[in-house]
Amino acid sequence: DAKTTQPNSMESNEEEPVHLPCNHSTISGTDYIHWYRQLPSQGPEYVIHGLTSNVNNRMASLAIAEDRKSSTLILHRATLRDAAVYYCILGHYGQNFVFGPGTRLSVLP
Amino acid sequence: DSGVTQTPKHLITATGQRVTLRCSPRSGDLSVYWYQQSLDQGLQFLIQYYNGEERAKGNILERFSAQQFPDLHSELNLSSLELGDSALYFCASSVATRWGVSYNEQFFGPGTRLTVL
Repeated sequence: DAKTTQPNSMESNEEEPVHLPCNHSTISGTDYIHWYRQLPSQGPEYVIHGLTSNVNNRMASLAIAEDRKSSTLILHRATLRDAAVYYCILGHYGQNFVFGPGTRLSVLP
Repeated sequence: DSGVTQTPKHLITATGQRVTLRCSPRSGDLSVYWYQQSLDQGLQFLIQYYNGEERAKGNILERFSAQQFPDLHSELNLSSLELGDSALYFCASSVATRWGVSYNEQFFGPGTRLTVL
């Protein structure tokens, strides 16, 4: 399984942008990049996913490097509710998700 | 609210016992996934069902089994429980795909917290 590497933890101030990095140097051409987050005492929730092009949705933006060996999840204005563990996962057709330890994001008021 | 329901919310039992965890997927979702989350192992994929058929297996112990019924709800059966089985068990559902991961998002339920004493 292709692996991802994320920082263990990050801190951000409320209402500031947050850039959460993910390295996936062994990504294959068919791997999608998925981001999920897990708020305290809740199940994981989908954030965003992409293949090659940058993606935007109401929650976040996903910036994918041209060589696809890294990606960055961008929260444009962090709120206290965004404090969570963020997981970067690679997945392709026929393969199930492998969750790593993720990045624990703390948001300071 | 993801639309995925899991019961019970909490379960406390003794070693050697057997328990059943239940999951109802979102309306219209055909795929159901089970995950185990423990402090030392993190979130691990156990098994996936698609429209009643087993489609993929992850790190699921032989003491554990699952099934998906015609109404698409799923049950995870855990037997001969050990202290190490204490964990959060999550169910997720997604729209389609017969094999493995869906390119559509997986919707996770709130989980069942199992404590084995």
